[in-house]
Amino acid sequence: DAGITQSPRHKVTETGTPVTLRCHQTENHRYMYWYRQDPGHGLRLIHYSYGVKDTDKGEVSDGYSVSRSKTEDFLLTLESATSSQTSVYFCAISDPDTSNEQFFGPGTRLTVL
Amino acid sequence: GQNIDQPTEMTATEGAIVQINCTYQTSGFNGLFWYQQHAGEAPTFLSYNVLDGLEEKGRFSSFLSRSKGYSYLLLKELQMKDSASYLCAVRGYFSGGYNKLIFGAGTRLAVHP
Repeated sequence: DAGITQSPRHKVTETGTPVTLRCHQTENHRYMYWYRQDPGHGLRLIHYSYGVKDTDKGEVSDGYSVSRSKTEDFLLTLESATSSQTSVYFCAISDPDTSNEQFFGPGTRLTVL
Repeated sequence: GQNIDQPTEMTATEGAIVQINCTYQTSGFNGLFWYQQHAGEAPTFLSYNVLDGLEEKGRFSSFLSRSKGYSYLLLKELQMKDSASYLCAVRGYFSGGYNKLIFGAGTRLAVHP
């Protein structure tokens, strides 16, 4: 299995609080992604990164920001969590130079009350 | 815009064959992926098609017709452990980025004895 970990794995928070989710990889893959998965919607891309300090928006980026200061870490921040951000969040990595696959982390279940 | 359609649910019998269809409309097509996702787990890569035709990998096969915007995943000799969601995803030139995937909502397959 690709070396991808996510922390925390579960989190319950209240509306209006900031939340940061961490994705850590040991594969030295250039691309990293944050998705959210909701019933009936499948996986939707929030933000992605194509290198250190290089990030871009996905299809559902409003209310989220990201940072990548090291190859191995990609952080997703909800500045002020809302109930609509209750979801399962998956990190993924890929290296287009070697493989077509995206490898997914185990996921973080976030509940915003 | 991009649109990916697949059936929401399917049922099949252990030992049988099942075909899961996926139709898509995208710009700048650059590959179609199938992922398997067991409940509560991360998606795992099954197959990748970029040229027309059939790709076979053990009990699983995937077919692509680019002119029709159509793919299917064929699962043979079904086993109980094949009960999972199957996600169709298309890679294309979306908003200037080439290595982003757009996912369908997934097909939940239930295999019965």
